[in-house]
Amino acid sequence: NAGVMQNPRHLVRRRGQEARLRCSPMKGHSHVYWYRQLPEEGLKFMVYLQKENIIDESGMPKERFSAEFPKEGPSILRIQQVVRGDSAAYFCASSELAGVNEQFFGPGTRLTVL
Amino acid sequence: AQSVTQLDSQVPVFEEAPVELRCNYSSSVSVYLFWYVQYPNQGLQLLLKYLSGSTLVKGINGFEAEFNKSQTSFHLRKPSVHISDTAEYFCAVSDRSNTGKLIFGQGTTLQVKP
Repeated sequence: NAGVMQNPRHLVRRRGQEARLRCSPMKGHSHVYWYRQLPEEGLKFMVYLQKENIIDESGMPKERFSAEFPKEGPSILRIQQVVRGDSAAYFCASSELAGVNEQFFGPGTRLTVL
Repeated sequence: AQSVTQLDSQVPVFEEAPVELRCNYSSSVSVYLFWYVQYPNQGLQLLLKYLSGSTLVKGINGFEAEFNKSQTSFHLRKPSVHISDTAEYFCAVSDRSNTGKLIFGQGTTLQVKP
C-alpha cells in the first residue's frame, strides 16, 4: 500500500506565477489535510477536505490560495500570483476517517519563489 | 483555540544518554495529544498519541510520553538515544471535534552526538 504521494517534491516559481501542488492520499483514504511549514517554524494547518467538499479552510490565506479534492484524482493546492513569502514546505496528510484517526503525511513539496 | 509550546528549540545529547523533549499546551476544551518525528527531507511520522486512559503512552522506537493534565504537559522521553534518533520532533494537539486538524508546536531538534 503506497503512502501519501506529493508532487512535485521541489517547485521553483518566479513572483507572480502560479503554483500547483498535488497530493494523492493513501488508498482508501477520503480525508485530506494541507499544512504549511515556514522556515524555522512548525506546521500550520491550512485546509481540510473530503471528496468534493471543503470542510474547514480556517487556516487558508484569504486571497490567492485555493484547494480542491475532486471525485477523481489528487487533491490540489493552488497558489496564484506567488510572492516570496509563500516559500515554504507544504505537507499533505490523509486519513481513513475524520476526527482522531491517524493522519499519514506525505514527503512534502518545497516551494521556492524567486 | 489551542496552542502548543515546545520549550526547547534544540536539544543536544550524547548517544546512549536519556532525553526529555518538553511540550506544554493550552486549551479550553479536552484535547488529544500527539508526537511526530520528521527526518530530513521527509514527511512526519507518528511516534505516539494520547487519546484517553493511561497517562503513560508508549510509542515506536522506544519513545514514551506522559500526559499531565494539571500541568498541561505531554513530555516525550527516551531512556537511551541512538544516533539515528537525530531528527525534528513535533508535539501536536487536536480538539475533539470531527475535523481532526492538528495544531503543532514549533518543533525541537534532537541532535545525538557520538
